[in-house]
Amino acid sequence: DADVTQTPRNRITKTGKRIMLECSQTKGHDRMYWYRQDPGLGLRLIYYSFDVKDINKGEISDGYSVSRQAQAKFSLSLESAIPNQTALYFCATSDPVSGQGNNGYTFGSGTRLTVV
Amino acid sequence: QKEVEQDPGPLSVPEGAIVSLNCTYSNSAFQYFMWYRQYSRKGPELLMYTYSSGNKEDGRFTAQVDKSSKYISLFIRDSQPSDSATYLCAMSSYNFNKFYFGSGTKLNVKP
Repeated sequence: DADVTQTPRNRITKTGKRIMLECSQTKGHDRMYWYRQDPGLGLRLIYYSFDVKDINKGEISDGYSVSRQAQAKFSLSLESAIPNQTALYFCATSDPVSGQGNNGYTFGSGTRLTVV
Repeated sequence: QKEVEQDPGPLSVPEGAIVSLNCTYSNSAFQYFMWYRQYSRKGPELLMYTYSSGNKEDGRFTAQVDKSSKYISLFIRDSQPSDSATYLCAMSSYNFNKFYFGSGTKLNVKP
């Protein structure tokens, strides 16, 4: 099994619909992140969480919300999807204490979301 | 101004060539510098990391950091078609609270 699992892998949804993207990890890492990737813009941070009780906004949090249900689970919701939220979404985990950088992020395989 | 700038390419080279990929950054607080490789339809995977200035070598890959110029590089020797991917630089301050990514350079190594 993958260390970081994202579901679904692909999703097409209609404008105005609520959608949830899920992420689970077996790394035992406390820190989890949600990024979106767009051509030419790279990876942009949406939300991040350093433990179950800690949630922080990233650079592009408007229109998104998150829930950290457990150390291993971090979900991203689009309350009312709009077409410019069409993108590739990645969940990532990190454990800076053990690695001092040599772990970096462990990414999931991504969710390709299309809003029509 | 973006915190991290990276030429998006695409960069096309023949097999066996030496490839140079670069990023510049503006935040002098960055201490950790990483390179990720991303194949099509996959998540990025950590390729190299370095701390502060200097060089680090791993097989055909060499990462260089010049903090005085705020410039980092990744060199790939004897490039292979399997190296064809998008390469993203990333950097973080000492506390790893957030990583800042470049937009990625798409590399194509032609057989």
